[in-house]
Formats: sequence, C-alpha cells, structure tokens
Amino acid sequence: DTAVSQTPKYLVTQMGNDKSIKCEQNLGHDTMYWYKQDSKKFLKIMFSYNNKELIINETVPNRFSPKSPDKAHLNLHINSLELGDSAVYFCASSQESRRGDTQYFGPGTRLTVL
Amino acid sequence: AQSVTQLGSHVSVSEGALVLLRCNYSSSVPPYLFWYVQYPNQGLQLLLKYTTGATLVKGINGFEAEFKKSETSFHLTKPSAHMSDAAEYFCALGDSGGYQKVTFGTGTKLQVIP
Repeated sequence: DTAVSQTPKYLVTQMGNDKSIKCEQNLGHDTMYWYKQDSKKFLKIMFSYNNKELIINETVPNRFSPKSPDKAHLNLHINSLELGDSAVYFCASSQESRRGDTQYFGPGTRLTVL
Repeated sequence: AQSVTQLGSHVSVSEGALVLLRCNYSSSVPPYLFWYVQYPNQGLQLLLKYTTGATLVKGINGFEAEFKKSETSFHLTKPSAHMSDAAEYFCALGDSGGYQKVTFGTGTKLQVIP
C-alpha cells in the first residue's frame, strides 16, 4: 500500500489555467505538507496543515490555495498558472507537527506550464 | 537565522569506495538534523536523523552520520559505495520554532562509477 500518494503524477497545462493536485496519506498522520522543488532541485515548504488547521503558510502567491477536507487529504489548487509555477510538487506527512518528526514524502507531481 | 549548507553539488565515487557527503548548519538552538535521499523520479526518503542523544547516528542502507557541535557539521558517510546509492542527497535542519518546519540544503548528487 502506498503511504503518501499524489495525483496526477504529471500535469501539462497552458498559462492562465487553473489546476489541482491531490494528496492522500494512509499512515494515520496528523500533519501534512506541500513542498515545491524547482529545476535546480531546491526544495521549499509552501504549506502545512495539522488536523485540518493551517499551521505553516510560507510566502506563496495567493494563487496557491491548499485545502484539507480531512486529516488524510491535502489538496493544492493553483489559479492562473504562470510559467514560473513549473516545478515538481511534493506532498508529505508526519505523525505530528513536532520538531524532529520524520516526514514521509509522496512521489511528486511534475507540473509543466506552457 | 537557520541555514544548512551542503558542500559539493556533485560527488563521484568508485563502487566500493568511501562515500562522504558534507553538511554544515547554522542554528540558534540545539539542532535537529536529517538526511534524506531522493532516487530519480521519486519522493524523498529519510536516511537518518539526529535529535538528541548519541552523536553517531546509523541509518538505512549502511549510511551513518556524526553530529559534531564544535564543527557545526553533520556529514553523511558510507564505508563502501554501491551502484544503487546513486541518487540526490539532502541535508535538512528542523526549525527552532514550535512547528515541524524543515529547511533543506541544496542537495548533493552522488554518482557511483563502476
């Protein structure tokens, strides 16, 4: 069974479109995250939810909106896509949001904006 | 401000040789440190972590790392490289705040030469 899954794996779209990426974890964890990995492999946190509550919200354009319908799911919706949004987006989860908790990553969604 | 620096964006070793990947950190509080590995087209996977206690930490796949406070380092080693170790390796530092926010280094790509 996949611990952290993301759909879709690949997403190719035009500038200006709106798209969503879905994430699900079956580990029973309380905390979930969205990361962006750019073309140079630099990994930066975007958002984190703990029990459906937003706890980390980095400096991200408000075109990005996370939604956590329950603690096993964290989706990412992106409005008005731009070329610079092209990246690999990773979802992750951890048991809790304590410092030192191991994060478990999904396989990533490669977003290409044309 | 917290930061983590990985020295060497690319490291090449021969199969069977010692692997040494360098990581230095800057933290205003006792650090929590992680090493993650990313295989091609996959998500990140935890190799090992240091929170408190023993400074020599053993991880999966024969890797280990030693926390050296005096040198602000957390270098990753493996006595004998295997072809399957070829991957991107990320050092990461747990945030000093209350939540599990992690700052990742820029990554080191390990190439293993047969």
